[in-house]
Amino acid sequence: DGGITQSPKYLFRKEGQNVTLSCEQNLNHDAMYWYRQDPGQGLRLIYYSQIVNDFQKGDIAEGYSVSREKKESFPLTVTSAQKNPTAFYLCASIPPARSNTGELFFGEGSRLTVL
Amino acid sequence: AQSVTQLDSQVPVFEEAPVELRCNYSSSVSVYLFWYVQYPNQGLQLLLKYLSGSTLVKGINGFEAEFNKSQTSFHLRKPSVHISDTAEYFCAVSRVSGNTPLVFGKGTRLSVIA
Repeated sequence: DGGITQSPKYLFRKEGQNVTLSCEQNLNHDAMYWYRQDPGQGLRLIYYSQIVNDFQKGDIAEGYSVSREKKESFPLTVTSAQKNPTAFYLCASIPPARSNTGELFFGEGSRLTVL
Repeated sequence: AQSVTQLDSQVPVFEEAPVELRCNYSSSVSVYLFWYVQYPNQGLQLLLKYLSGSTLVKGINGFEAEFNKSQTSFHLRKPSVHISDTAEYFCAVSRVSGNTPLVFGKGTRLSVIA
């Protein structure tokens, strides 16, 4: 089945450690996105990539990094510089036919907890 | 830039009662509008969208929304809710022909009471 797969679903880390969240899609979508969700704050854009080997910062990119070496994959690294990393992270993509509308298809999310 | 305001953070409603979740947006250009639903610990799924044409849009699970350009609103409605509608609902906006990321509101938690 086609879809967006995020892993791991739950992740715990100690303060000062970097962690990488995986996002893989087999939908042949060009554009991929990472959002962060905190209770009562909605979704905030971290990074997005519209083509391979290119990505742009979103509204809250500080303390995060991404890569886009393959069309199918858009991993997010939460670095030790991110002061409050505990959150629910959502990966999304847009099919080419809907790229002008911005309509997103979402993965199931990864919940990161810093101990 | 676009912005979205969801006027209620929580809406409790009894089963089989009607519900309206309010959404207002701000934009200096024409927009596309979306409503998404999120069940606990899951991703978001699209309920409905307004791109153009009829201002009354019907979506999945019996939901509908009306685009009101003069009031810059896109309120979501359902005539009779079920327990299974308990979830968080997000309104989102993007710029027409802008190829820009969606901007989301802060969400409304709908709790359906038996």
